Amino acid sequence: GENVEQHPSTLSVQEGDSAVIKCTYSDSASNYFPWYKQELGKRPQLIIDIRSNVGEKKDQRIAVTLNKTAKHFSLHITETQPEDSAVYFCAASSSNFGNEKLTFGTGTRLTIIP
Amino acid sequence: SQTIHQWPATLVQPVGSPLSLECTVEGTSNPNLYWYRQAAGRGLQLLFYSVGIGQISSEVPQNLSASRPQDRQFILSSKKLLLSDSGFYLCASTRGSGNTIYFGEGSWLTVV
Repeated sequence: GENVEQHPSTLSVQEGDSAVIKCTYSDSASNYFPWYKQELGKRPQLIIDIRSNVGEKKDQRIAVTLNKTAKHFSLHITETQPEDSAVYFCAASSSNFGNEKLTFGTGTRLTIIP
Repeated sequence: SQTIHQWPATLVQPVGSPLSLECTVEGTSNPNLYWYRQAAGRGLQLLFYSVGIGQISSEVPQNLSASRPQDRQFILSSKKLLLSDSGFYLCASTRGSGNTIYFGEGSWLTVV
C-alpha cells in the first residue's frame, strides 16, 4: 500500500518568513495530493490540493508543488502570519474508480513566532 | 453544500463498555465514507471505509466494527472498549464525483 513520509515534524518560523513542508510517497499510481490544516482540538480542514496532471498550484499565500518523477510534493506558505500556526498533514490517494483512500503523513507542527 | 454530522462530540467510557459513534452526511448522494482515528498528538489512521450501503472495508485489525445501514449514515461500534481505543474519531466523506475528502467535527473518546 501507499506510504507517505512528511518532514519536518516541527517547524518554527518568524512571522513574515516562508515555511516549506515536504512529503514523499511510495505508490506511483497516486494521483491526488491534498494538504490539511488542523488547529488544536479541531478537525482537519482542506487548504489546497493538487492532481498529478499539474506541477504547481497556488492560492494566495499557499502553494503546492508536485514532482511525479521523484514522488514528492511540497507545501509552501509565504508571508506567514500567527494564524498559520497549526499542524499540517499531507496525503496521497489513488483514485481507483471511486475507491479513494487517503494515506496521511505524520504531520508537521508549524509555529509562527511573532 | 455538504454537511457531515457526527455525534456524540465527547464521551468518557469505562473499559469493557460498548461504543456507538454515528455519522450522517447531508447534501450529497452515494458518498464514500470513512472513519479515521487520531491518537493525542499523532497522525490520522484510517480505520474503515465504505463505498456503498453494506460495503465496509477494514484497514486495521482491532476490536472496532463499522456499519453503513443507509447511503448517508456510517456507524462505528465496539462491543468492549480498550484503553487504547481512546482518541479523536473523525468521520469523513467524499463530495461529488471527485476524491476530495472532508471531515466531520470529530468525537473525542476517553476510555477510563
